[in-house]
Amino acid sequence: QVQLVESGGGLVKPGGSLRLSCAASGFTFSDYYMSWIRQAPGKGLEWVSYISSSGSTIYYADSVKGRFTISRDNAKNSLYLQMNSLRAEDTAVYYCARAQRYGANWYFDLWGRGTLVTVSS
Amino acid sequence: SYELTQPPSVSVSPGQTARITCSGDALPKKYAYWYQQKSGQAPVLVIYEDSKRPSGIPERFSGSSSGTMATLTISGAQVEDEADYYCYSTDSSGNHGVFGGGTKLTVL
Repeated sequence: QVQLVESGGGLVKPGGSLRLSCAASGFTFSDYYMSWIRQAPGKGLEWVSYISSSGSTIYYADSVKGRFTISRDNAKNSLYLQMNSLRAEDTAVYYCARAQRYGANWYFDLWGRGTLVTVSS
Repeated sequence: SYELTQPPSVSVSPGQTARITCSGDALPKKYAYWYQQKSGQAPVLVIYEDSKRPSGIPERFSGSSSGTMATLTISGAQVEDEADYYCYSTDSSGNHGVFGGGTKLTVL
């Protein structure tokens, strides 16, 4: 079954850290680019970060650059998001998504169900 | 930073045609993609590369793009099409993904 399953969400205090994981199954994980996308409660979707299949190319949204780190372990079919210096505005459901690339265009064709991160004192 | 602009809401009666627009300066050179998100669920891709429909997506969903505007059209909208719809593209550098603000489609 082709799927992505996120884990690691929870309640964390402002300034704290959290590491999200995404387990992929049913497809050859190492062939695909991957991304994290988030959605604050009652708000729209926001792209967060992107990593190439080998991990050699990484992009971040300006809102998280310098605080979040995306990584992957192809041997474990897993994607990660290390989140440091968390702020209240980082509160959101975080989705893991498989990315398809066509030239300079890339988009998401498979999404997980998401994991909720709440930043509050 | 790059922005994609969508109307906040669109409302149609069942069987009518719903059109949701998305404007962005880079769209003449970048593809537009459309996602459907029903309440409490993860987004689902309904249109990719401006006008292509993934397998399993009903034929009533179609997409087009001209100049700086992309359009998602739902011909003969059904009650089950009620959802939030998001356009998506990349900026001119190709280094950032961008979602539109989302459009709430009401079918009643």
